[in-house]
Amino acid sequence: SQKIEQNSEALNIQEGKTATLTCNYTNYSPAYLQWYRQDPGRGPVFLLLIRENEKEKRKERLKVTFDTTLKQSLFHITASQPADSATYLCALDEDNAGNMLTFGGGTRLMVKP
Amino acid sequence: NAGVTQTPKFRVLKTGQSMTLLCAQDMNHEYMYWYRQDPGMGLRLIHYSVGEGTTAKGEVPDGYNVSRLKKQNFLLGLESAAPSQTSVYFCASSYSTEDSSYEQYFGPGTRLTVT
Repeated sequence: SQKIEQNSEALNIQEGKTATLTCNYTNYSPAYLQWYRQDPGRGPVFLLLIRENEKEKRKERLKVTFDTTLKQSLFHITASQPADSATYLCALDEDNAGNMLTFGGGTRLMVKP
Repeated sequence: NAGVTQTPKFRVLKTGQSMTLLCAQDMNHEYMYWYRQDPGMGLRLIHYSVGEGTTAKGEVPDGYNVSRLKKQNFLLGLESAAPSQTSVYFCASSYSTEDSSYEQYFGPGTRLTVT
């Protein structure tokens, strides 16, 4: 089955710097990969989706890359702000039919002022 | 639009008791999901539904049952609760976009404790 790894240790960075989070996967070739944000006590919120034929996707201060050879996605937040502090989850489509997403354990980002 | 709502928000059960968690969405989405989230385990899919009247098992279905009698509602039942079912439960819904992506919309969660 699909295995997705995200750094379980929190990432601490200074305000204004670029945060980079990693998502590695094995045993599958997904058609797309999604990133979500989760705040404490709340449900995840969809941020970005990137397809296997897309190298990079941007949305405002967010950038996602997808390297199907390395089986890795990188999630960047530029000019980070304390309000960006949250847990970020990556998710892959288990069967390329959109029915089942497998989520990574998430990485907690702390942006210090 | 309220989006995805879940009731109740909190519940404490004793071992062996039963309960039903209700998920409702007002976005006319075809797909609905139930997940549980535990520390260090991430989100794990319990059951899902691709349309009214249909359900399917996810990664961790044992001890749970579901029903999707109406398109907007997805119920998760625990027939005989066990301490191992202590968790935060999230419901989500999604739809197929023109480019066949299935971004999911999550509810606020139900925190369940089984003693």
